[in-house]
Amino acid sequence: KNEVEQSPQNLTAQEGEFITINCSYSVGISALHWLQQHPGGGIVSLFMLSSGKKKHGRLIATINIQEKHSSLHITASHPRDSAVYICAVNGAGSYQLTFGKGTKLSVIP
Amino acid sequence: DAMVIQNPRYQVTQFGKPVTLSCSQTLNHNVMYWYQQKSSQAPKLLFHYYDKDFNNEADTPDNFQSRRPNTSFCFLDIRSPGLGDAAMYLCATSRVLQTEQFFGPGTRLTVL
Repeated sequence: KNEVEQSPQNLTAQEGEFITINCSYSVGISALHWLQQHPGGGIVSLFMLSSGKKKHGRLIATINIQEKHSSLHITASHPRDSAVYICAVNGAGSYQLTFGKGTKLSVIP
Repeated sequence: DAMVIQNPRYQVTQFGKPVTLSCSQTLNHNVMYWYQQKSSQAPKLLFHYYDKDFNNEADTPDNFQSRRPNTSFCFLDIRSPGLGDAAMYLCATSRVLQTEQFFGPGTRLTVL
């Protein structure tokens, strides 16, 4: 069974700061997902990665398959980025997602 | 915009009174999933449909059922809700298995 670890658990940043959230997993995967969940809200899929790097607006996600590690970066952070960011992986050949515990981000004006 | 819609957003029911939650999608995806998410926990997959094929997770209680009358709609039926079933219920879709999942906004269920 895959173990998905995220760090940090909680993160407070000043508006405009560059933010990095890390995710590591223990077993080979077919894909890694970064998800965003606002308080009391549903989940939004930010990225799905199997290799390399993806960019969408101020968000960048990278993955290193050899090191079993992914990072989510937010440039020029804004209070509306405040949310829980969740890393989830599909095990090789599996449709099921294994979720990390999430990183709670608070961006202060 | 193509999307996943869940109705209602908030549902209150009484202990033991059946309740149905609804999910619809305009993405024309083959797979629809139902997750249960309790406070401060990760979502837990209850079951999924691949087209009309229903797949129940081994530890999903019998109290939870699902129907998918067509590609666009999927329903979650809770036959006799208990206090422990109070949670956020999330619907998600994907084109096929092991592809990106698109989540709906969720339905928060309260059981009185």
